[in-house]
Amino acid sequence: EPEVTQTPSHQVTQMGQEVILRCVPISNHLYFYWYRQILGQKVEFLVSFYNNEISEKSEIFDDQFSVERPDGSNFTLKIRSTKLEDSAMYFCASSTDSDSPLHFGNGTRLTVT
Amino acid sequence: GESVGLHLPTLSVQEGDNSIINCAYSNSASDYFIWYKQESGKGPQFIIDIRSNMDKRQGQRVTVLLNKTVKHLSLQIAATQPGDSAVYFCAENNNAGNMLTFGGGTRLMVKP
Repeated sequence: EPEVTQTPSHQVTQMGQEVILRCVPISNHLYFYWYRQILGQKVEFLVSFYNNEISEKSEIFDDQFSVERPDGSNFTLKIRSTKLEDSAMYFCASSTDSDSPLHFGNGTRLTVT
Repeated sequence: GESVGLHLPTLSVQEGDNSIINCAYSNSASDYFIWYKQESGKGPQFIIDIRSNMDKRQGQRVTVLLNKTVKHLSLQIAATQPGDSAVYFCAENNNAGNMLTFGGGTRLMVKP
């Protein structure tokens, strides 16, 4: 069964550094998402992306965050200057359309020290 | 300050029994609901979904019930197995570009 893949599985970075989290969505999916889950808390929406532009974003997704689909297969989340509170599991997801189930990857655990 | 994590409600069932996991959703405008299963170290895994024009939907060993009057969703798992042990989340789509709002989760523990 096709799946969403994310790399790396764990990223450790120092506060103030830039990080890029990478995702390969399911190949025939057209909608892409990033969610995050701070340890012990709910899964929270960050951003949705369709047709090479952001469709929706939450209040969490401020100017420090950006997303990009640099080629036909990758979907990336960049955090420009990481803060301690950015430490979380970051999940990429994709769906065939805006009204169908999201399929999630296994996440990247980001630890900011 | 220190952030306080969620205290997950836990449902403990005997292997072979049926499990019922409940969820109250918040937005009466939500029209699409999904149950996800999350095992340790993995991402949320789709189980079953239901749209607001239905009140029941069945899958393999799972049934989702939707009560729009009281904004309540439940997931029933028949003949629960040890592999069903996980955290279960309900999620609602408020029709804003598939932006899901997740519930707090319930931990299901299956005793052999």
